[in-house]
Amino acid sequence: KAGVTQTPRYLIKTRGQQVTLSCSPISGHRSVSWYQQTPGQGLQFLFEYFSETQRNKGNFPGRFSGRQFSNSRSEMNVSTLELGDSALYLCASSRTGQNTGELFFGEGSRLTVL
Amino acid sequence: AQSVTQPDIHITVSEGASLELRCNYSYGATPYLFWYVQSPGQGLQLLLKYFSGDTLVQGIKGFEAEFKRSQSSFNLRKPSVHWSDAAEYFCAVGPDSGTYKYIFGTGTRLKVLA
Repeated sequence: KAGVTQTPRYLIKTRGQQVTLSCSPISGHRSVSWYQQTPGQGLQFLFEYFSETQRNKGNFPGRFSGRQFSNSRSEMNVSTLELGDSALYLCASSRTGQNTGELFFGEGSRLTVL
Repeated sequence: AQSVTQPDIHITVSEGASLELRCNYSYGATPYLFWYVQSPGQGLQLLLKYFSGDTLVQGIKGFEAEFKRSQSSFNLRKPSVHWSDAAEYFCAVGPDSGTYKYIFGTGTRLKVLA
């Protein structure tokens, strides 16, 4: 069974540009979450989607957005990039997103903003 | 509000020595607790989880953790560390009902000396 797939794995952008990251969850998983990981900050929750609906959003500015498609694949977008957006963006899937389910993580997309 | 604290940012142990990584949580009800491991350049992999029942849980790779409600702790242990255990370890609390947001600690980076 294939794991969570994130693309691209690495990317470099400059300030002011925008970026789109993609996540394909494990087959049968309908919940997709996104987390931003930076040194010293750990994992910060961005948003969670289930059946194409955003059920929760973390404390990030409106420049961070996402969506989920009918096949459960998800994308997140960051517009008007800032240096502080440099991070590892992790996607995680689970069957339902409820508290009893473990999260299955992809390897992440490492974004560097110059 | 939920929170997770991992007091040790870095820990160094010799190969073959025992290991204990600390995790303290703040949560109003019975928590759902997880330990994840992240190797360099990788996503997070679940080591073990606690939902209810026996407070000592066994995980993969020879790890175990003990839930102590009175101390609000969920410490991770391993009797004999292997060089391949060098990685970053994250403790997490499962989401409050309806939030779908897992809370992660800031991580403990483990270094293993040969």
